Amino acid sequence: GNSVTQMEGPVTLSEEAFLTINCTYTATGYPSLFWYVQYPGEGLQLLLKATKADDKGSNKGFEATYRKETTSFHLEKGSVQVSDSAVYFCALSDNRGSTLGRLYFGRGTQLTVWP
Amino acid sequence: DGGITQSPKYLFRKEGQNVTLSCEQNLNHDAMYWYRQDPGQGLRLIYYSQIVNDFQKGDIAEGYSVSREKKESFPLTVTSAQKNPTAFYLCASRVTATGNTIYFGEGSWLTVV
Repeated sequence: GNSVTQMEGPVTLSEEAFLTINCTYTATGYPSLFWYVQYPGEGLQLLLKATKADDKGSNKGFEATYRKETTSFHLEKGSVQVSDSAVYFCALSDNRGSTLGRLYFGRGTQLTVWP
Repeated sequence: DGGITQSPKYLFRKEGQNVTLSCEQNLNHDAMYWYRQDPGQGLRLIYYSQIVNDFQKGDIAEGYSVSREKKESFPLTVTSAQKNPTAFYLCASRVTATGNTIYFGEGSWLTVV
């Protein structure tokens, strides 16, 4: 079946530190992969995406590479800011079969950045 | 502006009452979704619809019902059969069932008192 596993939080960093949030997945076929961000009390916003192996998604200094060989899509940022404090969700979209159109989310990782 | 509108933002319900959460989108998207979010548990799929007049149960459909009579609307009813309905509810949509980007509404907080 399909599932997403992301690292447990919370993650606490100082401003300008390097960020990695690990995400691995299990899927049948060739899913699309996403990172979403959720600020307190709000809905989810798409941060970046990748639709095939070796694609790199990037946005606002965040990056993630679709690694089929390790079934991973780790989120990275070279220098975090206080404004990056939020909950980050890794997700996959099943693009075929009986679960066509389903979305699968990880549990989310809370990131807090201190000045 | 185009987007997904959920209402109400905050809702209080007495035990034993049904309540309906509204989700409207003007993005002309075919597929729509309802998720429930509880602290520390991520998002769980309640129902989804790939096209008008059709919908499928997700992982936690018990105690919920939906309808998809119009392309732009996908209301969720939380019935009295839902044992623990207090949660944050998120509606989402995408162009088609395989369209890559999923857009989310701002969410609705439901509290049972």
